[in-house]
Amino acid sequence: GAVVSQHPSWVICKSGTSVKIECRSLDFQATTMFWYRQFPKQSLMLMATSNEGSKATYEQGVEKDKFLINHASLTLSTLTVTSAHPEDSSFYICSAFSGNQETQYFGPGTRLLVL
Amino acid sequence: GNSVTQMEGPVTLSEEAFLTINCTYTATGYPSLFWYVQYPGEGLQLLLKATKADDKGSNKGFEATYRKETTSFHLEKGSVQVSDSAVYFCALLKSAGGTSYGKLTFGQGTILTVHP
Repeated sequence: GAVVSQHPSWVICKSGTSVKIECRSLDFQATTMFWYRQFPKQSLMLMATSNEGSKATYEQGVEKDKFLINHASLTLSTLTVTSAHPEDSSFYICSAFSGNQETQYFGPGTRLLVL
Repeated sequence: GNSVTQMEGPVTLSEEAFLTINCTYTATGYPSLFWYVQYPGEGLQLLLKATKADDKGSNKGFEATYRKETTSFHLEKGSVQVSDSAVYFCALLKSAGGTSYGKLTFGQGTILTVHP
């Protein structure tokens, strides 16, 4: 149980295009999901907290107009990187919070490369 | 605020050696504590957790005990395998109530390499 999926796992795009990443909790409902960014050999950096049915809460320094988050249902959150640039290339990881288990469960991550 | 401090890495061990990765925390209230493992190119997997003082979390031969008196949650394994090579993260979940419930505070991660 407690499986979180992400799609796509890999994406390569041209500079200036937008990319959408989906995060799904497959066997539980999550009112709260989280989006992280991870640079090589570093810990996770929390970007934003996604709450079902309401606006996301962004961490300081994260541009909300660039990283659009939508949490339309209890099992799906999406992160859209708008007008992507090479410096947005990174490993993006989502997690879903299970209130019953009081635990965050993580997706497998999405590697984004912007050319 | 909350914080988690892990021992500096990287840690390099031979197969069947004993493993300890230290983790200490600072928090108000009664947080839950977690160890997550990240294999190369993958997301984080929950390894074990403990929700209250003196609880012991265990999984796949790994153990950690929630020590409130020393604010620690050290990860141990009696005999490591090559397949245990990964990055290990200690994390804290603040106690329920208030804003930011569900948000994790992570340590910096410890890289473990096990040689045959």
